[in-house]
Amino acid sequence: QKEVEQDPGPLSVPEGAIVSLNCTYSNSAFQYFMWYRQYSRKGPELLMYTYSSGNKEDGRFTAQVDKSSKYISLFIRDSQPSDSATYLCAMSANDYKLSFGAGTTVTVRA
Amino acid sequence: DTEVTQTPKHLVMGMTNKKSLKCEQHMGHRAMYWYKQKAKKPPELMFVYSYEKLSINESVPSRFSPECPNSSLLNLHLHALQPEDSALYLCASSPILGDFTYEQYFGPGTRLTVT
Repeated sequence: QKEVEQDPGPLSVPEGAIVSLNCTYSNSAFQYFMWYRQYSRKGPELLMYTYSSGNKEDGRFTAQVDKSSKYISLFIRDSQPSDSATYLCAMSANDYKLSFGAGTTVTVRA
Repeated sequence: DTEVTQTPKHLVMGMTNKKSLKCEQHMGHRAMYWYKQKAKKPPELMFVYSYEKLSINESVPSRFSPECPNSSLLNLHLHALQPEDSALYLCASSPILGDFTYEQYFGPGTRLTVT
């Protein structure tokens, strides 16, 4: 069993829809949770990071962490074609190492 | 400014060449990283520098040699690479406060092709 599980998709939604992404994890030592967006052939861009259970909102993006269930989510409201990318969840136990999910490829159709 | 820069953007090298990848950040971060990413896979950690000292080497072959000349710069020296080393090489940095490291910021990457 992988330490971090993420459905690779692909996920296709119409413009304006809510995109829902999630990851589950098995290591209870993980303390920091991140979501990255990666466009084709580019480096990952940090979208959201959080250190605790609960919700964090930034513009159209909302990150949720439920440590009791070992489950994290990212929601993208009012999705745009420019949101088409691969979304990677990542988490850390404060030991310099990030454990990544496989990445979910998202396409937002105009 | 949360920018990590990398040069060159693209690199093609033969198996007998020696080349270097460069990374720079001006965010005051004291941890810097090299990752390798193959197509449709997440990044794989290669090396970690904390306070300019190598703290993690993920059993990377010696044909990859990292160097951290100062707190803003990170190099990756390449020698006698194999075609299977072709990949996107990513640099990242993160702040360290006390004993804690925080979120990592990635550069745009160097796309390396070994012929």
